[in-house]
Amino acid sequence: GQQVMQIPQYQHVQEGEDFTTYCNSSTTLSNIQWYKQRPGGHPVFLIQLVKSGEVKKQKRLTFQFGEAKKNSSLHITATQTTDVGTYFCAGGFGNEKLTFGTGTRLTIIP
Amino acid sequence: KAGVTQTPRYLIKTRGQQVTLSCSPISGHRSVSWYQQTPGQGLQFLFEYFSETQRNKGNFPGRFSGRQFSNSRSEMNVSTLELGDSALYLCASSGGQGKLGYTFGSGTRLTVV
Repeated sequence: GQQVMQIPQYQHVQEGEDFTTYCNSSTTLSNIQWYKQRPGGHPVFLIQLVKSGEVKKQKRLTFQFGEAKKNSSLHITATQTTDVGTYFCAGGFGNEKLTFGTGTRLTIIP
Repeated sequence: KAGVTQTPRYLIKTRGQQVTLSCSPISGHRSVSWYQQTPGQGLQFLFEYFSETQRNKGNFPGRFSGRQFSNSRSEMNVSTLELGDSALYLCASSGGQGKLGYTFGSGTRLTVV
């Protein structure tokens, strides 16, 4: 079936350190989306990547889509306490349905 | 513009009962998707509706059903509730083809006792 794996499941970082979460699919994706869910909140859309090898930046966040369109990563530079939450990738397989990864819960140690 | 509205926010039901959850998408959005979120299973896809038609369905039993009305509002129904149905049910709308991502509602927290 269409599955999207995400690692790590949890990440604790010191404030100011960098953070990266990885997303992998066994089959080619048509697109990959990233969401952030704050504790007690709902997922909020961050970005969509469509092209092979695409790299997009949003301030301290860098998103990459692999050349084979089977993997993606989100990198946060110099984390801040406002970055706390769970980051989900969601893979599109061309059928309008998004399959979410299991998420990476980021905790910041002040 | 108004976001995605889900009602009710919280619900407590007894095993065996049924429940109906409602979702009003962003004005102009015709695609509505439903997800079940639990601590152990993450976000699990239930179904997706577009222009009153179910386009995709996840791997949930037939007790889970949904529909979409002509104004794009959507409802999902769960019959014969089980304890394991306790979860946060999230509705998301999009402009179709997942364009510019999904906008999620705040969810309905269902507790089955």
